[in-house]
Amino acid sequence: DIVLTQSPDTLSLSPGERATLSCRASQTITSNYLAWYQQKPGQAPRLLIYGASRRATGIPDRFSGSGSGTDFTLTITRLEPEDFAVYHCQQYGISPGTFGQGSKVEVK
Amino acid sequence: EVQLVESGGGLVQPGGSLRLSCAASGFTFRGYWIHWVRQVPGEGLVWVSRVNADGSDMVYADSVKGRFTISRDNAMNTLYLQMNSLRAEDTAVYFCARGGRFCGSSSCYNYYYMDVWGEGTTVTVS
Repeated sequence: DIVLTQSPDTLSLSPGERATLSCRASQTITSNYLAWYQQKPGQAPRLLIYGASRRATGIPDRFSGSGSGTDFTLTITRLEPEDFAVYHCQQYGISPGTFGQGSKVEVK
Repeated sequence: EVQLVESGGGLVQPGGSLRLSCAASGFTFRGYWIHWVRQVPGEGLVWVSRVNADGSDMVYADSVKGRFTISRDNAMNTLYLQMNSLRAEDTAVYFCARGGRFCGSSSCYNYYYMDVWGEGTTVTVS
């Protein structure tokens, strides 16, 4: 199985700042099949990015995904109050797909 | 509105059984793969199972294989997860989620990412 390691575990930032989250895979992810999800406490995950860089429907353009091979990044250019949450990456290039452990973006 | 709503969670003793349901609305249910994903509170997401669009092909995580059965009723727009021989480590919030899909000019391709999620139902084995 492909193991995904997200970093940092927790990122402490202020509203308006830029957030950069990393997702590193133990082997190359086929066709850049990498997704990012946002999850707030007590809520379901929400798809943000798929195919490493494609924004899902309705996702603001302050969210962007990049990367290829084994290294992927989720960037939030200017943090809004509603962006403080846990972010999960998922590879789906090799079924059934595996998730990272999650990265929390918290208010500094 | 595209929506998935889970039900059927609860408290069950080790070795017991539970059947989860997931009611879909707002989209053509029979056209999509549907997945079950679980999460222990405070921990990461773990994929459990998926069924293809017509219900003929099911895949399971090794941790639940032989104990859980996924099925669907496309006439009722409902997904199920029959969970038998439950263990303490099955305790989690269970989410149903629609699989991603891309349709070209002649065919559709299904993926293991999830673009619509239910709010989850809690299963406690104790």
